[in-house]
Amino acid sequence: SAVISQKPSRDICQRGTSLTIQCQVDSQVTMMFWYRQQPGQSLTLIATANQGSEATYESGFVIDKFPISRPNLTFSTLTVSNMSPEDSSIYLCGADSPRGYGYTFGSGTRLTVV
Amino acid sequence: GENVEQHPSTLSVQEGDSAVIKCTYSDSASNYFPWYKQELGKRPQLIIDIRSNVGEKKDQRIAVTLNKTAKHFSLHITETQPEDSAVYFCASLKSGNTPLVFGKGTRLSVIA
Repeated sequence: SAVISQKPSRDICQRGTSLTIQCQVDSQVTMMFWYRQQPGQSLTLIATANQGSEATYESGFVIDKFPISRPNLTFSTLTVSNMSPEDSSIYLCGADSPRGYGYTFGSGTRLTVV
Repeated sequence: GENVEQHPSTLSVQEGDSAVIKCTYSDSASNYFPWYKQELGKRPQLIIDIRSNVGEKKDQRIAVTLNKTAKHFSLHITETQPEDSAVYFCASLKSGNTPLVFGKGTRLSVIA
């Protein structure tokens, strides 16, 4: 399965600012996904990042707040915009494997907004 | 859309005993069911998975069973060890180009 490098691993940000999280995959993958995980909770899908087209967002998440880029088949970014303390969470990127199953995840970004 | 229910939310077992975690799914088109283990502060790691054309799969001390008719699948861990303590998530998938839908997780504690 693919190996994903995610950065930054953590950050503390001021409210009203933006943070961009990057994920690099060691092989070409069709789909990349962005999840949010609150402490002690499950993974909630934010959006699916499609190469060459706009991301597909889940209910409750909008492009203006969480713009996503997918410039090629190995890289994606998620920006958390105009942050508030409610955005404090762990953000994880995921990717399918070249064979289409066995999704793997980046190591996560622990974001704290103060 | 797909809904995955997972039970129990917490589970404590004595070392050496077995642990069973159960999940149900709602979309009959789902055809792939992975289980992830997440240790504190770490990323979810795939530990075992099963596809809809198989009823059971085993890998050493862990096994997964699938009942397509009832739309439920289970994770079985035998001879539990303290290092099995973690949060376990079940998930389901309809096709290789769709996102995983996760259950809410089970916090397993293995007591030495």
